[in-house]
Amino acid sequence: SQTIHQWPATLVQPVGSPLSLECTVEGTSNPNLYWYRQAAGRGLQLLFYSVGIGQISSEVPQNLSASRPQDRQFILSSKKLLLSDSGFYLCAWEGRAGVEGEAFFGQGTRLTVV
Amino acid sequence: SQQGEEDPQALSIQEGENATMNCSYKTSINNLQWYRQNSGRGLVHLILIRSNEREKHSGRLRVTLDTSKKSSSLLITASRAADTASYFCATLGGSYIPTFGRGTSLIVHP
Repeated sequence: SQTIHQWPATLVQPVGSPLSLECTVEGTSNPNLYWYRQAAGRGLQLLFYSVGIGQISSEVPQNLSASRPQDRQFILSSKKLLLSDSGFYLCAWEGRAGVEGEAFFGQGTRLTVV
Repeated sequence: SQQGEEDPQALSIQEGENATMNCSYKTSINNLQWYRQNSGRGLVHLILIRSNEREKHSGRLRVTLDTSKKSSSLLITASRAADTASYFCATLGGSYIPTFGRGTSLIVHP
């Protein structure tokens, strides 16, 4: 069966520090991968998506970047965090055969920039 | 930008009552999905309804889709305290990227 791992669960970082959030998927190959951000009490904002290794599409211009060094690994990064980067970050994969669009989410990372 | 918009934003009911949440969207879709999110956790997929379907059931969940009105509803029957969570609709269109609304916060009082 497929599983998705996202870590860390919580993170407190000072302004100006770098960021690296990692997401890995098991039990499937060539998934579509997504990073979403959820502000408090708000919906999910799509940040990045990837349809293959090294293929990254950005939905919003911002202080963050994403990389996909391996088929089932998706990394969200920042060189210098801003206060406004605080939020709940969710990684998801999609691509189960015959069920297009059904997304499976990691447990999320609560990032607080102080 | 968000495609689906749920209403109400918040819903408070007593255990045993039915809960109905609505979702409206703007562009044509391939399918629409409903997700549940417990506080501080990831989203869990509940049910998917394709654009050529009008109604779908899964346990105590009933989803309807009206493509002419670009709207969907999620009905939870005989609600339980454990149903307390936020519920999101997500649409999948030509871009094949799930696009989420802001969610409905449901509180079920025991």
